[in-house]
Amino acid sequence: GQQLNQSPQSMFIQEGEDVSMNCTSSSIFNTWLWYKQDPGEGPVLLIALYKAGELTSNGRLTAQFGITRKDSFLNISASIPSDVGIYFCAGRNYGQNFVFGPGTRLSVLP
Amino acid sequence: EAQVTQNPRYLITVTGKKLTVTCSQNMNHEYMSWYRQDPGLGLRQIYYSMNVEVTDKGDVPEGYKVSRKEKRNFPLILESPSPNQTSLYFCASSLSSSGEQFFGPGTRLTVL
Repeated sequence: GQQLNQSPQSMFIQEGEDVSMNCTSSSIFNTWLWYKQDPGEGPVLLIALYKAGELTSNGRLTAQFGITRKDSFLNISASIPSDVGIYFCAGRNYGQNFVFGPGTRLSVLP
Repeated sequence: EAQVTQNPRYLITVTGKKLTVTCSQNMNHEYMSWYRQDPGLGLRQIYYSMNVEVTDKGDVPEGYKVSRKEKRNFPLILESPSPNQTSLYFCASSLSSSGEQFFGPGTRLTVL
């Protein structure tokens, strides 16, 4: 099946720093979703994007639907300890199921 | 509270012993799906269901069965589990196949 790539695979940052991660695909998508998974829990939806170029915020989180429709970006500003977890992107095109990236593991150092 | 529930949350079993993992949603969602999560591979879709009595294979369906007799329930059946099915399993539901999916808490399965 289709595969998404996420970068970086993992990152360690200091509390208060900003975070950037991205997701790329070889295919174009019409929907991008960003999820966060806490240890021992299921993924929780953070942001949904439906239009190329769209920029959407949810508190300290901002995500963008890439203009090529083959990528998406997630930024977290002023990180805090509870931002720790795995961040997944998911994308789909019309008539297809969602595919998920392998995730970016975020660790926040106090 | 709107939610997706899975049972059991943890299961250790032996090769060949049939098991069922239940999934239920209370949001009247039409679309339901099962995923397995393995390190470095992210979430891979096993089976999905667009509506009652309609199921289709996902990317990794071998060794699994599902049924959708009622809208709210979507059980995952392993007729003869094998060690390579040791994984973390998630059920998800959404209003439609294009909608945002809500995930259950996960079932960690170990097959010895």
